[in-house]
Amino acid sequence: AQSVTQPDIHITVSEGASLELRCNYSYGATPYLFWYVQSPGQGLQLLLKYFSGDTLVQGIKGFEAEFKRSQSSFNLRKPSVHWSDAAEYFCAVGTGLGSYQLTFGKGTKLSVIP
Amino acid sequence: DTGVSQDPRHKITKRGQNVTFRCDPISEHNRLYWYRQTLGQGPEFLTYFQNEAQLEKSRLLSDRFSAERPKGSFSTLEIQRTEQGDSAMYLCASSFRILSGNTIYFGEGSWLTVV
Repeated sequence: AQSVTQPDIHITVSEGASLELRCNYSYGATPYLFWYVQSPGQGLQLLLKYFSGDTLVQGIKGFEAEFKRSQSSFNLRKPSVHWSDAAEYFCAVGTGLGSYQLTFGKGTKLSVIP
Repeated sequence: DTGVSQDPRHKITKRGQNVTFRCDPISEHNRLYWYRQTLGQGPEFLTYFQNEAQLEKSRLLSDRFSAERPKGSFSTLEIQRTEQGDSAMYLCASSFRILSGNTIYFGEGSWLTVV
C-alpha cells in the first residue's frame, strides 16, 4: 500500500530565510506527487504537482519541488519565506489511473518569525 | 471556475442526529471525491464518483455514511446516527479525468462537531 511520510511535524523559520520541507513516499509504481497548503480552518490549495518529465517542478507562490526517484523523495523548497507562507503543508501521492485517490502525509506546520 | 463549493461550512449536532453535507464541484468536472480530516492529520480518502457512479469506497466509510451524486453534478454526504468520533472536517474535491493524470481541487471543507 502507498504511504507518505513527512518527518517534520513543525518547522519555524525566519522571514527571508530559505525553506525545505521533506516528503518521502512509498509506492510501487511511478507516482503522481503533489504538495498542498492549508491555512487554518480552510481547504487545501494545490502548490505544485509532478506527473512525469522534468524532476524539478515549479509551483505557485515561488515554491518548487524536486522528485528524486532513488530516494523516494519529493521535497518542497522556497528560497525566501514570507510571513504569509505560515500554514500547514501536505505532501500527497496519487494512485490509480489518473490519480483518483490521494494518500496524504500528516503534514508539516510552518511558522514564520518576523 | 468558481471553485468547489461546500455547504454548510460548520455544523454542530447532537450525538445520534443525522447530518448532510452538500458539495458543488467545479463545472464540467466529472470526478468528485470526499475526504475526511481530523485534527493533526492529513486528509483521508472516503469515496469518489465518476459522473453519477460511485466507483470506490474506503473502509473508513461505515454503514452510517452514504454519499450520492444523483445527476453527476452536486453530491451529498449523509452521516446517520452521528457519533463523537465523526467530528472532523469533511472535504470535497473534484477533477476532470485525463489519461495522463489529473489535478484534484479541494473545497473549503465542512466542519462537523458532534456534542
